[in-house]
Amino acid sequence: AQSVTQPDIHITVSEGASLELRCNYSYGATPYLFWYVQSPGQGLQLLLKYFSGDTLVQGIKGFEAEFKRSQSSFNLRKPSVHWSDAAEYFCAVGARGGGNKLTFGTGTQLKVEL
Amino acid sequence: EPEVTQTPSHQVTQMGQEVILRCVPISNHLYFYWYRQILGQKVEFLVSFYNNEISEKSEIFDDQFSVERPDGSNFTLKIRSTKLEDSAMYFCASRADRAVNTGELFFGEGSRLTVL
Repeated sequence: AQSVTQPDIHITVSEGASLELRCNYSYGATPYLFWYVQSPGQGLQLLLKYFSGDTLVQGIKGFEAEFKRSQSSFNLRKPSVHWSDAAEYFCAVGARGGGNKLTFGTGTQLKVEL
Repeated sequence: EPEVTQTPSHQVTQMGQEVILRCVPISNHLYFYWYRQILGQKVEFLVSFYNNEISEKSEIFDDQFSVERPDGSNFTLKIRSTKLEDSAMYFCASRADRAVNTGELFFGEGSRLTVL
C-alpha cells in the first residue's frame, strides 16, 4: 500500500526567505506525486504534479518540486516566500492504474513571519 | 474556470440524524470522489465512483455511508446515522475521463460537518 510522510508538522519562515517542505513516499513503483495547498477555509488547490520525465517540476505561485527516486522524496521548494503563502501543504501519492485515489500526508502548516 | 461546488458549506446536526452532502462536479468529468479531513488530521480517501457505481472504497466507508448520482450533475454523500466521529470536513473531487492515467483531481471547497 502506498503511504506518504511529511516529517514537519509546522514550519515558520520569514517573508523573502527560501522554503523547502519535505515529503517522502512509499510505493512499489514510480508513483504519481502531487503537492496541494489548503488556505484557511478553502479547498485543496493543486500546486504541481509529477508523472514522468523531468524530475524537476514547476508549479503555480512560484513553487517547484524535485522527484528523487533514490531517496523516495518529492520535496517542495520556493526561493522566496510571500506572506500569502501561509497555508497548509499536503503531499500526495497516486497509484498508476484505474481508480487513481490519492493518499495524502498529514500536512505541513506553513507560517510566514513578516 | 470550471470548479467543483459543494453544499452546504457547514452543517450542524445531532448524533443519529441523517445527513446528505451535495456536490456538483465539473461538467465533463466522469470520475467522482469523496475525501474527508478530521480536524488536525490528514485528508483521507472515502470512496470513488464511476459509471454509476462505486469503484473503490476505504475501510471508513461502512454501511452508514452511501453515494449516489441522482441526476446528470449532482453527486451526493449520505450518512445515515451520524456519529460524533463523523465530524470532519468532507471534500468532493472529480476527474476527467481523459485524465484517467494522471490522477489529477479537482477538489471542491469542502462541507464542514459538525455532529453534536
